[in-house]
Amino acid sequence: DSGVTQTPKHLITATGQRVTLRCSPRSGDLSVYWYQQSLDQGLQFLIQYYNGEERAKGNILERFSAQQFPDLHSELNLSSLELGDSALYFCASSVGQGGYSPLHFGNGTRLTVT
Amino acid sequence: EDQVTQSPEALRLQEGESSSLNCSYTVSGLRGLFWYRQDPGKGPEFLFTLYSAGEEKEKERLKATLTKKESFLHITAPKPEDSATYLCAVQAPSNFGNEKLTFGTGTRLTIIP
Repeated sequence: DSGVTQTPKHLITATGQRVTLRCSPRSGDLSVYWYQQSLDQGLQFLIQYYNGEERAKGNILERFSAQQFPDLHSELNLSSLELGDSALYFCASSVGQGGYSPLHFGNGTRLTVT
Repeated sequence: EDQVTQSPEALRLQEGESSSLNCSYTVSGLRGLFWYRQDPGKGPEFLFTLYSAGEEKEKERLKATLTKKESFLHITAPKPEDSATYLCAVQAPSNFGNEKLTFGTGTRLTIIP
């Protein structure tokens, strides 16, 4: 158990809808990262937050947004969903003090857009 | 842009048959190279971090090594429970505490009893 909790585990929704994915980082970790994993592309970095502030953006679509709250949990919001958004979405956390800390991943949310 | 290439894409071994997985990388100043194991439907599980060329880390039947251009994950006398996808990732320097990892697409390892 990595200590990173993601909910829900599965989500099935229709095109055009909006969903929110939730992540609770490991105790003591200040950084939260969101990754998307699809069959053909592997793990793609979306966005990072550190102690409530956005730190880095990757290949995140404008239809997607995220935030990290004062209690350090994070939410990833996906809107105007398309079939191609179907994927596994992983949250990871790290101490995030600028050191050489590994990322620890949750077990993901599987999103299916129909 | 950081790039990570893993080979082979898939590898089938008999139980007890040792082999190596390769991870080639291109990064502007390597801060760390990470190996993860991922089981189907699960998140990646951290295995090792390597920081400098010549470094080696071991855990049970796995040994990771690092050169200036690539890393190898050696698996010795594997068992069926070692079957998983092994992911390699690199971390580049940043002034902003940005520790994002760039991942390869993985090697899917199957150990046949």
